[in-house]
Amino acid sequence: DAKTTQPPSMDCAEGRAANLPCNHSTISGNEYVYWYRQIHSQGPQYIIHGLKNNETNEMASLIITEDRKSSTLILPHATLRDTAVYYCIVGGEEGGSEKLVFGKGTKLTVNP
Amino acid sequence: EAGVVQSPRYKIIEKKQPVAFWCNPISGHNTLYWYLQNLGQGPELLIRYENEEAVDDSQLPKDRFSAERLKGVDSTLKIQPAELGDSAVYLCASSLVGVSEAFFGQGTRLTVV
Repeated sequence: DAKTTQPPSMDCAEGRAANLPCNHSTISGNEYVYWYRQIHSQGPQYIIHGLKNNETNEMASLIITEDRKSSTLILPHATLRDTAVYYCIVGGEEGGSEKLVFGKGTKLTVNP
Repeated sequence: EAGVVQSPRYKIIEKKQPVAFWCNPISGHNTLYWYLQNLGQGPELLIRYENEEAVDDSQLPKDRFSAERLKGVDSTLKIQPAELGDSAVYLCASSLVGVSEAFFGQGTRLTVV
């Protein structure tokens, strides 16, 4: 079973920040938080991952709480192309060969 | 650079017939995954390869599903015989170093009638 809890759906206005929450209260000390998204009819796409510290890349920012029991993916300026299902995944060590256990994710709809 | 390539993109077969899916991972990626995705659900792992070796096939229904990755590059997933419940999208993914950044293909949508 997936070790994360996400809201099933969210809406966001185009140009505004989209903040997607994820609860992972049973995360263990060496597990990473990964975010992937899946646009309709495509395979999942990696977005970002982190362990303890906040992370930022060209796609998004990842904010992990100090106790690591929850995190938030931030899309700073959402566009219509960001409409997708977003998956928060807790997994093994960075570089470790473990499977990604997907839940149902959050369906984000960006509205014009 | 080409991403993960899967074929065919769509496949419709009658139940009890065999079917095969092909995956060409990103060049140099040692880890290859096959996932199954049912409508409205997240992908579920079927099998994971490290080079030629299947290191996790615990979720693969071995009575009808088989997979191979000859020479540690391309991979084939086969179902024989197919059942109505096998209708789903079959996704292939590859990664260079574990799961930090796995790249997925577009998938093969299988319909069993």
